Amino acid sequence: NAGVIQTPRHKVTGKGQEATLWCEPISGHSAVFWYRQTIVQGLEFLTYFRNQAPIDDSGMPKERFSAQMPNQSHSTLKIQSTQPQDSAVYLCASSLPDRGYAEQFFGPGTRLTVL
Amino acid sequence: GEQVEQLPSSLIVQEGASVLINCSYTDSASVYFPWYKQEPGKRLQFIIDIRSNMERKQTQRLTLLFDKKTKHLSLHITATQPGDSAIYFCSASMETNYNVLYFGSGTKLTVEP
Repeated sequence: NAGVIQTPRHKVTGKGQEATLWCEPISGHSAVFWYRQTIVQGLEFLTYFRNQAPIDDSGMPKERFSAQMPNQSHSTLKIQSTQPQDSAVYLCASSLPDRGYAEQFFGPGTRLTVL
Repeated sequence: GEQVEQLPSSLIVQEGASVLINCSYTDSASVYFPWYKQEPGKRLQFIIDIRSNMERKQTQRLTLLFDKKTKHLSLHITATQPGDSAIYFCSASMETNYNVLYFGSGTKLTVEP
């Protein structure tokens, strides 16, 4: 079991370019989460899906950020017109079918660097 | 929104020592408090959790204490080993949306042999 898979592991973009980050949750997990980790802000919740439906995107920046889950096997986080302040490690996590408080399993993260 | 604070931000101990990591939160609506650790170069990993209807939870060398009145938690790690070296994160979630975790800034623990 490879756990949550995130690709790419590292991505470098120029200012103004688009970045798409991919996440493959653990098979059978119905909830998928995105977080952002920086030295300054720490770990911040961005958004999550349950059974592919968007449930809460309260942590997503209102502009340039979007997330989708087109099928149960992957989710994407897209950042348009990337800015240097978007540089961070983006973490994806998944959890078991909703039966209460459930442990979240994290992926290795994608380190995004915007030059 | 919920604010979670952790202290200390870092600590260094000798192998075998016990450590205490403190965590406080602001929103009385928070009901679930999972802790995660992140070893160097590795993924965030769940280690222990507690719900607001409990005061104490223990698993192996970890003891988690919860005080609802003061909105405070403390994680006690006994008989530390170099393998315990990691960043420890406290988090909180609310009953209305217990899947959304608000994380503290982390405590970096270094256990020296």
